[in-house]
Amino acid sequence: DTEVTQTPKHLVMGMTNKKSLKCEQHMGHRAMYWYKQKAKKPPELMFVYSYEKLSINESVPSRFSPECPNSSLLNLHLHALQPEDSALYLCASSPARTDTQYFGPGTRLTVL
Amino acid sequence: DAKTTQPNSMESNEEEPVHLPCNHSTISGTDYIHWYRQLPSQGPEYVIHGLTSNVNNRMASLAIAEDRKSSTLILHRATLRDAAVYYCIRRRWSGGSNYKLTFGKGTLLTVNP
Repeated sequence: DTEVTQTPKHLVMGMTNKKSLKCEQHMGHRAMYWYKQKAKKPPELMFVYSYEKLSINESVPSRFSPECPNSSLLNLHLHALQPEDSALYLCASSPARTDTQYFGPGTRLTVL
Repeated sequence: DAKTTQPNSMESNEEEPVHLPCNHSTISGTDYIHWYRQLPSQGPEYVIHGLTSNVNNRMASLAIAEDRKSSTLILHRATLRDAAVYYCIRRRWSGGSNYKLTFGKGTLLTVNP
């Protein structure tokens, strides 16, 4: 299994909803990442987990809450989002001691 | 900050070589140069990376200037499947075992049949 999977592919939510994005990899990678990508813009790093511990938080608002329950799984919990949070959310993983990142296809989020 | 500069767009013909330039004049000695590409409706895909020497792999070649202030990604024979946004990225060490990829704006490559 050499891919990063993300579910759901598309998500529409209201500003008062709580939802979660899920990312999974079975390549034994020990670093996992969340990125946000607005239309026609490059991906922007949000969070980095290394060995299941949060190691980088790029000053992301608290309405985004990451979680890494185990080495294969990464979640992004969403609560009280704003319409400007609508974007493609990308997950990536990388092996230990290297930094080549493998990206999933993303979850396209729309906040109404 | 990204601090890599690329042309917004480039065009190529199928089966011809493509040279995608990138300026990174403020690069530090420990920053690697990474290239990723993003095909339509997909996540980014790793292409190649290097520090000082030129690098080759099955996808592309990377030529890094001697002063490291610029680099060029070379696709030897472009195919229609190479049409994508190509990102030139400085990979910075962020402490411990953490590295950050800061994406620049990228170059949209169009390949004509």
